[in-house]
Amino acid sequence: GAVVSQHPSRVICKSGTSVKIECRSLDFQATTMFWYRQFPKQSLMLMATSNEGSKATYEQGVEKDKFLINHASLTLSTLTVTSAHPEDSSFYICSARDPSGIATGELFFGEGSRLTVL
Amino acid sequence: GQNIDQPTEMTATEGAIVQINCTYQTSGFNGLFWYQQHAGEAPTFLSYNVLDGLEEKGRFSSFLSRSKGYSYLLLKELQMKDSASYLCACPGAAGNKLTFGGGTRVLVKP
Repeated sequence: GAVVSQHPSRVICKSGTSVKIECRSLDFQATTMFWYRQFPKQSLMLMATSNEGSKATYEQGVEKDKFLINHASLTLSTLTVTSAHPEDSSFYICSARDPSGIATGELFFGEGSRLTVL
Repeated sequence: GQNIDQPTEMTATEGAIVQINCTYQTSGFNGLFWYQQHAGEAPTFLSYNVLDGLEEKGRFSSFLSRSKGYSYLLLKELQMKDSASYLCACPGAAGNKLTFGGGTRVLVKP
């Protein structure tokens, strides 16, 4: 099946610094990738849709200047949390749709990145 | 918009059966997914229903009623490793982004 790889799996940073998380589709090309955030004991909340070659589409309430998304190629999307604060501490998960998936909506998820901001 | 509801928590005994319900309201229906997520891990695909009826896959089955906006995930012969969160999700009207319900945490006890 399709594989999506995310890096780093865990990151700890100081408040005010920026953190970059990478998401790669390993055996397929993904024109669209999705970034989700998940707080403890809560479900996945879609933050933004990353589009290769164009600007990302952000969900309501998500600050585009704080969460910078770059979809540089058909296999790589990056999420940069700028000027991170403790309230940004969360589990960030990327996902992509493999065109050969069983349905138009099926997503393959990366391993997730746990961000802790001190 | 989309609205997806499921219970927050359920407890069951090893070897038993548990049914997790999900109700949804979507502007356009493009199927319904169930994912399993263990704590600290990414979700993994369990099932996809687009037509009414029951889809059986080993110990797990998923049911859909489009007229009622209702689905359930049935877990049979529960094992301790089934303790996880189960997420109901629907694609948007354009079939693109996936919106998740709040997730149901299932705790399997010995």
